[in-house]
Amino acid sequence: EVQLVESGGGLVQPGRSLRLSCIASGFTFGDFAMSWFRQAPGKGLEWVGFIRSKPYDGTTQYAASVKGRFTISRDDSKSIAYLQMNSLKTEDTGVYYCSRGDFYGSGGYYFDYWGQGTLVTVSS
Amino acid sequence: DIQMTQSPSSLSASVGDRVTITCRASQSITYSLNYLNWYQQKPGKAPKLLISAASSLQSGVPSRFSGTGSGTDFTLTISSLQPEDFATYYCQQSYSTPWTFGQGTKVEIK
Repeated sequence: EVQLVESGGGLVQPGRSLRLSCIASGFTFGDFAMSWFRQAPGKGLEWVGFIRSKPYDGTTQYAASVKGRFTISRDDSKSIAYLQMNSLKTEDTGVYYCSRGDFYGSGGYYFDYWGQGTLVTVSS
Repeated sequence: DIQMTQSPSSLSASVGDRVTITCRASQSITYSLNYLNWYQQKPGKAPKLLISAASSLQSGVPSRFSGTGSGTDFTLTISSLQPEDFATYYCQQSYSTPWTFGQGTKVEIK
């Protein structure tokens, strides 16, 4: 059974840092891209960024709102994806989800498994 | 960035009703495939993938859900609404980053 479990959320002051983890099980982690999404309270879904699998160079891409502040990495030996969040702003508050990205085969991804989410609150 | 616009933003329907949700992209998201996914989200829960590539039903998703469309216009149809289908539905394009979602359509009980 595929499972994704996020952790590391909490209350943090503006300008500080936080690292989220996403522990995966039930599939060959290294074969899949991993993506992070977020949802502000009462709002819709927003893509944060993703990391390709190593066969596809393991490169990353980010939303403009977090580029330069957030970094996604992966440890395939431990089946963990990370989201390092620096210089946090109040508008970064929300539930953060990790998700497995499966490849269409001609570009583009769909996200077929999601974690339960972890709440990040940025407030003084 | 590709803007995704869903309509309606909310709707009220009864069990057994046929429900259609529309999603429009600000530019074509079709190349060799339709790069459009549909998700269902219930309160306090993670999104669940229903349909990928505009019309490919995910394993385990009931056949009352279906998706159609190409280019810029897509629809999600629930042929006979069930009690467990009351939720918010999102479309999402994966044609180009930043991947973007529609604002959501909340399906409520009439």
